[in-house]
Amino acid sequence: GENVEQHPSTLSVQEGDSAVIKCTYSDSASNYFPWYKQELGKRPQLIIDIRSNVGEKKDQRIAVTLNKTAKHFSLHITETQPEDSAVYFCAASNTGNQFYFGTGTSLTVIP
Amino acid sequence: NAGVTQTPKFQVLKTGQSMTLQCAQDMNHNSMYWYRQDPGMGLRLIYYSASEGTTDKGEVPNGYNVSRLNKREFSLRLESAAPSQTSVYFCASSVGANYGYTFGSGTRLTVV
Repeated sequence: GENVEQHPSTLSVQEGDSAVIKCTYSDSASNYFPWYKQELGKRPQLIIDIRSNVGEKKDQRIAVTLNKTAKHFSLHITETQPEDSAVYFCAASNTGNQFYFGTGTSLTVIP
Repeated sequence: NAGVTQTPKFQVLKTGQSMTLQCAQDMNHNSMYWYRQDPGMGLRLIYYSASEGTTDKGEVPNGYNVSRLNKREFSLRLESAAPSQTSVYFCASSVGANYGYTFGSGTRLTVV
C-alpha cells in the first residue's frame, strides 16, 4: 500500500509569517492529494486538494504544490493568523477510495 | 442540511461487549467511509463503501464489520470490543472516488 510521511510534526510561527508543511508518498500511481485541517476536538475539514495533472493550486492564503518526480507535495500558508492554529493532515490516494493519511502537523500561530 | 451525522458522540464499553456506530449523510454522496484516529497515527481506513450495495476492507478492518443499509446510511459494528479499539471514530462521505471527504463529528470510544 501507500506510505505517506509528513513533516514537521509540530510547527510554531509568528502571526503574519508563512508556514510550510511537507508530505512525501511512496506510490507513483497516487494521483489525488487532499489536505485537511482539524481544530481541537473537531472533525477534519478539507481545505485544499490537488490532482496529479496540476503542479500548483492556490486558494487565497493557502497553496499546495506537487512534485510528482520527487513524490512530494507541500502546503503553504501565507500571512498566518491565530485562527490557522490547528492540526493539518495530508493524504494521498491511488485508487480513489483508499486515502492514506500523514500523521499530522500541529501548527501554532503566535500572536 | 446536516451533512454527515454520527451517533453516539461518546461511548464506554467493557471488553467483550458489542455496539454499532451509526452514520448518515444527506448530501446524496455515493461513497462512505469509516476511519479511526489514534494519537500520532493519523487517520486509518477501516472499511469503505464505494457505492450502495458494496463494501470493502481498508487498512485496519480486523474486529469490525460494516453495513451499507442504503445510500444514506453506513454503520460500523464492533462484535467483541477490545481495549485496542479505544479510539476516535470518524465517518465520512464523498461524491465518489478521488473527491474530498465530508467528515462526521466523531465518536469517542473507550473500551475498558
